Amino acid sequence: QQQVKQSPQSLIVQKGGISIINCAYENTAFDYFPWYQQFPGKGPALLIAIRPDVSEKKEGRFTISFNKSAKQFSLHIMDSQPGDSATYFCAAEFTSGTYKYIFGTGTRLKVLA
Amino acid sequence: EAQVTQNPRYLITVTGKKLTVTCSQNMNHEYMSWYRQDPGLGLRQIYYSMNVEVTDKGDVPEGYKVSRKEKRNFPLILESPSPNQTSLYFCASSLYWGANEKLFFGSGTQLSVL
Repeated sequence: QQQVKQSPQSLIVQKGGISIINCAYENTAFDYFPWYQQFPGKGPALLIAIRPDVSEKKEGRFTISFNKSAKQFSLHIMDSQPGDSATYFCAAEFTSGTYKYIFGTGTRLKVLA
Repeated sequence: EAQVTQNPRYLITVTGKKLTVTCSQNMNHEYMSWYRQDPGLGLRQIYYSMNVEVTDKGDVPEGYKVSRKEKRNFPLILESPSPNQTSLYFCASSLYWGANEKLFFGSGTQLSVL
């Protein structure tokens, strides 16, 4: 119940294309859904996050779409650039007695020039 | 510069030889945690601490110990490392716990246990 399932495991997109990464969760106690971006040799860094009372959040070329009834959320990267090539992790947080982040398994994105 | 500092970046050791990975943050954060990153498994939480002297187990605590004697430091201790603890380890911190706070990660420690 505490899992966050992420797909695909890897993704190759042409420059200028749209990258879409999907995540699904089961525990309805999750109340915060961030996405982290990780470049090789670096630690993950927060990219964008959403709360379950919002269906969409956009920051620049990055958009989170959230479907509460389906318990799914996704990251869309518009006009993908080679500099977006990184590993992306979705995550879910809940604070029901403890404070935990549950991360997805990661998606390795490669944007071809 | 606000940061989470882990040391060492790379560590090769042998089975059973106790080791400590240090983690320090200079942002006066209350919450700190440790994760391990393995291919296909993502980031899994080992231990976390909500404040000084307050620690709790994450999802994969077996074989690890932590302590939080000072607010800025949160070392990860492997008393008797085994090859299945070969992994990439990250320390992270956030200002508070339970408040949807942004996690700040260190640069990672690549551990190999032979």
